[in-house]
Amino acid sequence: AQSVTQPDIHITVSEGASLELRCNYSYGATPYLFWYVQSPGQGLQLLLKYFSGDTLVQGIKGFEAEFKRSQSSFNLRKPSVHWSDAAEYFCAHGSSNTGKLIFGQGTTLQVKP
Amino acid sequence: GAVVSQHPSWVICKSGTSVKIECRSLDFQATTMFWYRQFPKQSLMLMATSNEGSKATYEQGVEKDKFLINHASLTLSTLTVTSAHPEDSSFYICSALERTGLRYNEQFFGPGTRLTVL
Repeated sequence: AQSVTQPDIHITVSEGASLELRCNYSYGATPYLFWYVQSPGQGLQLLLKYFSGDTLVQGIKGFEAEFKRSQSSFNLRKPSVHWSDAAEYFCAHGSSNTGKLIFGQGTTLQVKP
Repeated sequence: GAVVSQHPSWVICKSGTSVKIECRSLDFQATTMFWYRQFPKQSLMLMATSNEGSKATYEQGVEKDKFLINHASLTLSTLTVTSAHPEDSSFYICSALERTGLRYNEQFFGPGTRLTVL
């Protein structure tokens, strides 16, 4: 069965430091991969997505992610974190047939001043 | 990007009553919408897939008689929590799937509805 794993439940980084959030997916000949961010009590905002093509994807707010088929990974990165980046981050894998999304467990990002 | 709205944004109700939550795609037609449930500090759990003009498809373990879904038009899906109980208190999020022909695009999410059952 399809699954998405985010190994890090909680990450704390200092403001200005670099960030990498890990995501591994289990299945998908043609992976449709997404990263979303959720602030407390809010809906989800799409940061970036990968369907095909260039494996390094640029998103909003200075985020990028790299798709690595050999490692079944789609890690999210940001070179310099801002305090406003503190939030919950979800990786998701989409089915091209049903449109369903399978979400990872989420990673809580805390930013230290 | 496409916009999806939810109404209400929060609701408090008494145990035993029913609550209806609306999900609308504002600037595109969505033949497929999804309903998720999210408990505090947890991920989104897919409850059901709502298809315009047909019955919803529920995920395993979700009571279809408890969570009634209606997708009467290409821009509106509703979730009714029937005979709500405190354990139904949660954050409910809908999404609308944008497709261009057979090409998969993405889901656009509503802002969520906080349900509290007293």
